Amino acid sequence: GAVVSQHPSWVICKSGTSVKIECRSLDFQATTMFWYRQFPKQSLMLMATSNEGSKATYEQGVEKDKFLINHASLTLSTLTVTSAHPEDSSFYICSAATSDLSYNEQFFGPGTRLTVL
Amino acid sequence: GDSVTQMEGPVTLSEEAFLTINCTYTATGYPSLFWYVQYPGEGLQLLLKATKADDKGSNKGFEATYRKETTSFHLEKGSVQVSDSAVYFCALSDPYSSASKIIFGSGTRLSIRP
Repeated sequence: GAVVSQHPSWVICKSGTSVKIECRSLDFQATTMFWYRQFPKQSLMLMATSNEGSKATYEQGVEKDKFLINHASLTLSTLTVTSAHPEDSSFYICSAATSDLSYNEQFFGPGTRLTVL
Repeated sequence: GDSVTQMEGPVTLSEEAFLTINCTYTATGYPSLFWYVQYPGEGLQLLLKATKADDKGSNKGFEATYRKETTSFHLEKGSVQVSDSAVYFCALSDPYSSASKIIFGSGTRLSIRP
């Protein structure tokens, strides 16, 4: 149980376009979802926390107009990278948590590799 | 604020060697502690966890003990395999945080030679 999927697993896009990444909890209801960014050979950087039905809380230094997060249901959150540029190229990982399971445990998706040309 | 410090890599060992990856933490409360593993090109998988002092988490031959007196959570394995090659992240979570926020260490890359 506690499986989280992401789609797509990788995406290549042109500079200036927008890209949407989906994160789904497959067998549980995720009251909270998290979005991380990981640069090569570095740790995960938390970008934002989203609770179902409310606006995401962004970490300091993360542009909310650049990285749009929607958590419309208890099983789906989306991250849209708007007007992507090469510096947005990175590995994006989502995770999900629920009060139904161990509250302070997050379950991670497999990640999405974004390459902006 | 809360933080996690883990030994820098890369760590290179021969197969069947003993592994230790050091991890220490700073926290104001009583956090839960985790080790996550990331295989090449993949997301994170929870390897083991401990939620209170003196708890020992274990999985797949890996072990770590929550040491409150030394604020440590070192990862150990008695005999590593090539398949253990991955990046290992030590992490903590404040159970009293409503957001279940996890703070990660910088990661330690482990390479095992056949």
